[in-house]
Amino acid sequence: EDKVVQSPLSLVVHEGDTVTLNCSYEVTNFRSLLWYKQEKKAPTFLFMLTSSGIEKKSGRLSSILDKKELSSILNITATQTGDSAIYLCAVGDYGQNFVFGPGTRLSVLP
Amino acid sequence: DAGVIQSPRHEVTEMGQEVTLRCKPISGHNSLFWYRQTMMRGLELLIYFNNNVPIDDSGMPEDRFSAKMPNASFSTLKIQPSEPRDSAVYFCASSPGREHEQFFGPGTRLTVL
Repeated sequence: EDKVVQSPLSLVVHEGDTVTLNCSYEVTNFRSLLWYKQEKKAPTFLFMLTSSGIEKKSGRLSSILDKKELSSILNITATQTGDSAIYLCAVGDYGQNFVFGPGTRLSVLP
Repeated sequence: DAGVIQSPRHEVTEMGQEVTLRCKPISGHNSLFWYRQTMMRGLELLIYFNNNVPIDDSGMPEDRFSAKMPNASFSTLKIQPSEPRDSAVYFCASSPGREHEQFFGPGTRLTVL
């Protein structure tokens, strides 16, 4: 059965800190890994990763995939209170099935 | 574009009643997904459609749940009869295709008393 694990499940930091969120997976016929940010309502898309070792960047956020280790990390530098959210990792296979991890709840304190 | 549209946004019903949730995907997207989110189980994929055809419904919890997509711009998720354990937020998402990210609707918060 396909599985996605995220760590830590919860994290509290102060503004300005840098955080690293982890996602590991066991998926048959891996196709892509996606990161989402969920605040109060629906998840919003951050990154899609398909190739190993290529960093994707958007402002203070960046992510990279390691297919050998079956994992990905999401980095957030110089965190702000607006980064407080649940960060979800999802993995898709060639059947277009998607499995979501439990999420990491990030709280950034002023 | 208005994004993915879901209705109703909130639904409160009594156990045993039929519930129908509606979704309008983003125009031009050919994949549609129904998810359920609870505190205990997180986000779970229930069923997805590709070009209006159900591809995988293995996530549908039981026969009380059914989903249809009669055309490219409309899908429904029906629960009959509803039970208190069905209480959750139900998200619909659409995607331009399997190479692309999914865009989520605002969700329907369902409470079954």
